[in-house]
Amino acid sequence: SAVISQKPSRDICQRGTSLTIQCQVDSQVTMMFWYRQQPGQSLTLIATANQGSEATYESGFVIDKFPISRPNLTFSTLTVSNMSPEDSSIYLCSVGSGGVNEQFFGPGTRLTVL
Amino acid sequence: GNSVTQMEGPVTLSEEAFLTINCTYTATGYPSLFWYVQYPGEGLQLLLKATKADDKGSNKGFEATYRKETTSFHLEKGSVQVSDSAVYFCALSKPGSNYQLIWGAGTKLIIKP
Repeated sequence: SAVISQKPSRDICQRGTSLTIQCQVDSQVTMMFWYRQQPGQSLTLIATANQGSEATYESGFVIDKFPISRPNLTFSTLTVSNMSPEDSSIYLCSVGSGGVNEQFFGPGTRLTVL
Repeated sequence: GNSVTQMEGPVTLSEEAFLTINCTYTATGYPSLFWYVQYPGEGLQLLLKATKADDKGSNKGFEATYRKETTSFHLEKGSVQVSDSAVYFCALSKPGSNYQLIWGAGTKLIIKP
């Protein structure tokens, strides 16, 4: 299984600012995913990030608010732009790996927006 | 459409009790099924998986059997410990996609000593 790290692990930000979250994988992977998990809730997929192409966003999420970069097969970033308190969540990076469509997750970034 | 339904939590049990967390699904085709666990303050970990009907996934004393006739994948453990306290998510692989998963709402498990 892949080992995934995320930075920062947590942050407290002021409304109107932006935060970039980094996701690093210890092996090359094709599929990377970004999720949001609001307190006490399940996971909501923000976008799928494939290397060398534009990210694919789910309904309700737009590139201007959540720009994603995927410069190579081991790294991706998610930016949360022009933040508001409603953006306070855990943001999770995951990768698709293995032969049965499983995903492996990073430890998450806990974001609080004041 | 494709969906996963889990029993609502929180589920509160005493240590050494028997655990069942129900999970049912609707899906086209033959998805793979997964249980993930999220311990407090951590990301998700894959707990177990099953890829076809009648497969049994198992790990750390937990088991789940892929039941196509009842479209279920219930999680069981014979004797829970305080350290099993976590949120458990059932998921299925999205048909026709690469690695995308469809998630249940999650079930919070609280084990009291």
